[in-house]
Amino acid sequence: KAGVTQTPRYLIKTRGQQVTLSCSPISGHRSVSWYQQTPGQGLQFLFEYFSETQRNKGNFPGRFSGRQFSNSRSEMNVSTLELGDSALYLCASSLARGGRALYNEQFFGPGTRLTVL
Amino acid sequence: KNEVEQSPQNLTAQEGEFITINCSYSVGISALHWLQQHPGGGIVSLFMLSSGKKKHGRLIATINIQEKHSSLHITASHPRDSAVYICARREGGNQFYFGTGTSLTVIP
Repeated sequence: KAGVTQTPRYLIKTRGQQVTLSCSPISGHRSVSWYQQTPGQGLQFLFEYFSETQRNKGNFPGRFSGRQFSNSRSEMNVSTLELGDSALYLCASSLARGGRALYNEQFFGPGTRLTVL
Repeated sequence: KNEVEQSPQNLTAQEGEFITINCSYSVGISALHWLQQHPGGGIVSLFMLSSGKKKHGRLIATINIQEKHSSLHITASHPRDSAVYICARREGGNQFYFGTGTSLTVIP
C-alpha cells in the first residue's frame, strides 16, 4: 500500500506570493492533518480535515487555508507569503478520528520544504 | 503556550546504553503519541498511549495518566536510533500539541 505522498517536495517563493501544497493520503484513510515545522517553533498543528470538512484548526492566521476533496486528497494554501512562512509542511493521514485508538494513528508524508525569499 | 514539555532536549549515549526520554503535559488527553524524526524530515509514529505500557522491539513507552507523564525507553541503543523523538498529546479528534523534541545521538 502506498504511503502518504506530498507534492511538491521543495518550493521557493517570494514574499507576497501564494502557494498551494498537495497531500494524498493512504488509500482508505479519511482524515488528513497538516503541520508546520520550523526550527524556532517546532511542530505545530495547522488543521485537520475529515469527510471534506475542517474539523480542527490550530492557531494560525487566515492566510493559511485548506480543503479536502471527495477522494480524501487535501490541499493547503498560504496566501501573501511572509518570510516566516519558510518551513517544512507535513501532512499526515489516519483511518478516521475518535473512536478506537487504532483509527487515530498518524502516518506522515515526507513533507514539502517551502522557502520564502 | 506549549503544554507539552520534554526532557532532555539533547542526549548523547554510547551504543548499548539504556535511554529514557521524558514527557510531561498539563491538561487531559485523548492519547499521547511518540514520534521519531530522522534527518531529512521523515516522521514515523512509534506509539499511541492512553494508559499503561507498550513495547515494540527495543522501544518501550509508558504513561501515568494521574501524573500526566510519559516516558520513552530505548534498550540496547544503536547508532540507527539517532533521531529526534517527539511526544505529542492528542485531544478532540486529531488535534495535536507537540513537545519540542529530544535530539538523540548514539555513538558507536
